[in-house]
Amino acid sequence: NAGVTQTPKFQVLKTGQSMTLQCAQDMNHEYMSWYRQDPGMGLRLIHYSVGAGITDQGEVPNGYNVSRSTTEDFPLRLLSAAPSQTSVYFCASSYSGSIYYEQYFGPGTRLTVT
Amino acid sequence: AQSVTQLDSHVSVSEGTPVLLRCNYSSSYSPSLFWYVQHPNKGLQLLLKYTSAATLVKGINGFEAEFKKSETSFHLTKPSAHMSDAAEYFCVVSAPNTGNQFYFGTGTSLTVIP
Repeated sequence: NAGVTQTPKFQVLKTGQSMTLQCAQDMNHEYMSWYRQDPGMGLRLIHYSVGAGITDQGEVPNGYNVSRSTTEDFPLRLLSAAPSQTSVYFCASSYSGSIYYEQYFGPGTRLTVT
Repeated sequence: AQSVTQLDSHVSVSEGTPVLLRCNYSSSYSPSLFWYVQHPNKGLQLLLKYTSAATLVKGINGFEAEFKKSETSFHLTKPSAHMSDAAEYFCVVSAPNTGNQFYFGTGTSLTVIP
């Protein structure tokens, strides 16, 4: 199993540009999520999904959109990039949304917005 | 509401000496607790988890943690540090009253001195 994969690994955007960060998992997990990691702040939840067709907002959703049309894929869209969105983005998946299951993380996407 | 406090942002130990990384949590309900490790420029890897079974939890690479409800703590320990333990460590809480979301601490950076 490849686990959780993310593309691209690195990206530089100009302010106002849009882009999609890709995330895929091959473990047939119901639950998928997106986090951003900023220095000294740990990871913060952006959006999550408990199954295909179901998404919800996390702690810091503004400026981001998600959709989940298949179990495997959970892309994150930046609508109009801003310098404040410079961060490292992690996708994660879990067997279910239960608190008893750990989340598996992808390798991350480092995004710089100039 | 859920929250996690990692009491030390940086910890330095000599190789072969014990490691103690401290974590206190706040939760209105019985939580699950996790420790993750992040090596430089890598994703997050699960070290261990507590999900209301045994209060002393053993994880990978010789790490263990003890859930102490009376002290609301979940400290991570290892008897003897190895150079490969140098990394960032995150304590995470999840509880049923908040949609089972993961709440991350701000991280502890562990340095191992040869």
